[in-house]
Amino acid sequence: EVQLVESGGGLVKPGGSLRLSCAASGFTFSSYNMNWVRQAPGKGLEWVSSITGSSSYIYYADSVKGRFTISRDNAKNSLYLQMNSLKAEDTAVYYCARDTQYYDILTGHTVRYMDVWGEGTTVTVSS
Amino acid sequence: SSELTQDPAVSVALGQTVRITCQGDNLRTYFASWYQQKPGQAPILVIYGRNNRPSGIPDRFSGSSSGNTASLTITGAQAEDEADYYCNSRDSSGNHLVFGGGTKLTVL
Repeated sequence: EVQLVESGGGLVKPGGSLRLSCAASGFTFSSYNMNWVRQAPGKGLEWVSSITGSSSYIYYADSVKGRFTISRDNAKNSLYLQMNSLKAEDTAVYYCARDTQYYDILTGHTVRYMDVWGEGTTVTVSS
Repeated sequence: SSELTQDPAVSVALGQTVRITCQGDNLRTYFASWYQQKPGQAPILVIYGRNNRPSGIPDRFSGSSSGNTASLTITGAQAEDEADYYCNSRDSSGNHLVFGGGTKLTVL
């Protein structure tokens, strides 16, 4: 069964740090790009960061750039999100999501979507 | 602009057809994907690419695109379709992803 399981969430004070983990199983982890997506309480989904299968390319939303670091360990089938200098507005449920892509011949573009999601881990930043 | 705009709320009578739209300049270049999220649950993918459904998604869900607008259509809405729906695509760089603000679907 294809599965993603996040862990590492918790309560942290403003300015503090936290490291989230996402354990993957049931698929060849190294063959897929991965994403972190978050959802603040009562709000919509927000893409946070992406990493390619070989870690060659990494991207961040402007809201977290310079504070968060995405990484992966393909030997351990694990994805990570190191969160530093946390702010109250980082309070959210954090999901990891598998990124699947294919080439669309008609448009000449790569179709990209998130087809597997974890259940999420909750991060609360509060004093 | 890299934003995706969705109507905050839409309602549909049981068994009727509803269209949820997503507007954004980058949809002229990139396909949207659509996600369903029920309260307290993780999102699930319902439509991707030209009009593709993952395994297990009922065929009453379909997708289309025209110009800067992507649409998710539910033909014969069921009570279990009541949920929040989010579109997602790439920004102008092609490397970042962006979500629409979400549409809350109520089935009456």
